[in-house]
Amino acid sequence: KAGVTQTPRYLIKTRGQQVTLSCSPISGHRSVSWYQQTPGQGLQFLFEYFSETQRNKGNFPGRFSGRQFSNSRSEMNVSTLELGDSALYLCASSSGTGIYGYTFGSGTRLTVV
Amino acid sequence: GIQVEQSPPDLILQEGANSTLRCNFSDSVNNLQWFHQNPWGQLINLFYIPSGTKQNGRLSATTVATERYSLLYISSSQTTDSGVYFCAVGYGGSQGNLIFGKGTKLSVKP
Repeated sequence: KAGVTQTPRYLIKTRGQQVTLSCSPISGHRSVSWYQQTPGQGLQFLFEYFSETQRNKGNFPGRFSGRQFSNSRSEMNVSTLELGDSALYLCASSSGTGIYGYTFGSGTRLTVV
Repeated sequence: GIQVEQSPPDLILQEGANSTLRCNFSDSVNNLQWFHQNPWGQLINLFYIPSGTKQNGRLSATTVATERYSLLYISSSQTTDSGVYFCAVGYGGSQGNLIFGKGTKLSVKP
């Protein structure tokens, strides 16, 4: 079966712009979680969506938002980009029950200049 | 919140050597996973192992939930095993929020 698909793979944006990242989970998976990875902070949880509802949110400013569509595909949006938003953004697909493994996509590497 | 500590932070091995990576966590968990991050950044799920022992080829993992630690064993290491190994835990109500350790960076030399 197809894996988790994240697009785009690479992105360069200017400070102040906004960006939208996409994640298509494994077929049948209803949960999509988003993570930010930076050298300084490591892997940090952004938010999780299950059946189009945000169930959990990490400690990030409101500039970071997301949504999930009826086909379980998810998007995350970052508005008013800052240099510190440069990171690898990873999404994870799971059943949503919390008791099985997660499958991650290849990530989107965002560079803010 | 739950703390996850991994050791050692760095490990250099010769090809063919065995190694043990450790993950300690500070509270009860209902989800524990080991991942390997390859040089291109992708996280590959190695094991879902909130308790017990599992084996997959040259890799095996053991979690002793009552003592709050997990071990990842790599036998007969290969250069392709190089990368960063992460332990991540989830707890009741965390819903999607896996808490990651800082990782163990493994370098396997030919």
